Amino acid sequence: GQQVMQIPQYQHVQEGEDFTTYCNSSTTLSNIQWYKQRPGGHPVFLIQLVKSGEVKKQKRLTFQFGEAKKNSSLHITATQTTDVGTYFCAGLTSGGSYIPTFGRGTSLIVHP
Amino acid sequence: SAVISQKPSRDICQRGTSLTIQCQVDSQVTMMFWYRQQPGQSLTLIATANQGSEATYESGFVIDKFPISRPNLTFSTLTVSNMSPEDSSIYLCSVFSLRGNEQFFGPGTRLTVL
Repeated sequence: GQQVMQIPQYQHVQEGEDFTTYCNSSTTLSNIQWYKQRPGGHPVFLIQLVKSGEVKKQKRLTFQFGEAKKNSSLHITATQTTDVGTYFCAGLTSGGSYIPTFGRGTSLIVHP
Repeated sequence: SAVISQKPSRDICQRGTSLTIQCQVDSQVTMMFWYRQQPGQSLTLIATANQGSEATYESGFVIDKFPISRPNLTFSTLTVSNMSPEDSSIYLCSVFSLRGNEQFFGPGTRLTVL
């Protein structure tokens, strides 16, 4: 079945440093979504990428979808303590299930 | 967006017992999804609950262990049967947006089995 690999599993940063999490799929994706889960909370949708090579920005967050539509990244510039949480990617396979497969998630810890 | 509530928010149960988790959505939806999230892990889909038909279970999950009801378009229940400590997890229900481009999650039910 489809697998979505996400690295790193954990990332410690000092406040103000940048952070990146990467997502790779074994198969071509029709789209990829990103979610944030705060400690003790539930996943909250951030964004969806659909087009090959697509780049979207939300304030300090930059999302990219690879040209081959098999990988994606989320980059946070100048992290803040409010960025703490686990970031999940969720990929949807072309012609496959209509339910996205979630990556393992990257837990971001920001030290003040 | 969809607003989802779950009951209970948390529970501590003895092994061998069963717990039924309720999920209520503020709008009518065709499909509702049940996920399990073990500590520090990702979201694993248990089953898809469709109104008027039996739930569709993912590999590794069976109806006898996780019976699901879907009596109408805004409500579903998941029962965790004959619980063991390995069932300790967060259980989340979810629905898709109308456009199908994002998922909304309930606040989750944190289950501890002793």
